[in-house]
Amino acid sequence: DSGVTQTPKHLITATGQRVTLRCSPRSGDLSVYWYQQSLDQGLQFLIQYYNGEERAKGNILERFSAQQFPDLHSELNLSSLELGDSALYFCASSQGRSGGLQETQYFGPGTRLLVL
Amino acid sequence: EDQVTQSPEALRLQEGESSSLNCSYTVSGLRGLFWYRQDPGKGPEFLFTLYSAGEEKEKERLKATLTKKESFLHITAPKPEDSATYLCAVQAGDGNKLVFGAGTILRVKS
Repeated sequence: DSGVTQTPKHLITATGQRVTLRCSPRSGDLSVYWYQQSLDQGLQFLIQYYNGEERAKGNILERFSAQQFPDLHSELNLSSLELGDSALYFCASSQGRSGGLQETQYFGPGTRLLVL
Repeated sequence: EDQVTQSPEALRLQEGESSSLNCSYTVSGLRGLFWYRQDPGKGPEFLFTLYSAGEEKEKERLKATLTKKESFLHITAPKPEDSATYLCAVQAGDGNKLVFGAGTILRVKS
């Protein structure tokens, strides 16, 4: 158990809908990262938050957004869902003392999203 | 653009048959190379971090090594419970993101 929690574990929805994925980092960790894992793309970085502020952005679609709250939990919002958004979504956290540089990222169990 | 290539894509071993997994990378300014293990439907589980060429780390039957261009994950006398996908990732430049390879699927048969 990494100490990172994610809810829900599974999510089934229809195209065009909007969903919210939730992540609680390990106790004391300030940085939260979101990754998408699909069969054809592997694990891809989406976005990082550090102590409530956006720190880095990857290939995140404009239909996707995220935020980190004062209690350090994070939410990833996916809107106007398409079939191709079906994937595993992972949250990871790190201490954040150096903003994330050279820090080990610990991953949560993931949310499996299926868009029908 | 940072790139990570893992080989082989899949590896089948008999219990006790030692082998190595390869991770080659092309990056600007390596800050760290990370090995993770992932079981089906689960999140990646951290194994090792290597920061500089020549560094080695060990944990039970696993040993990770790093050169300037690649890393190896050596598995000594594997057991069926070592079956998993092994992922290699790099952190480079001034970014915090991890760039992952496609992984090596390891199957160990008894």
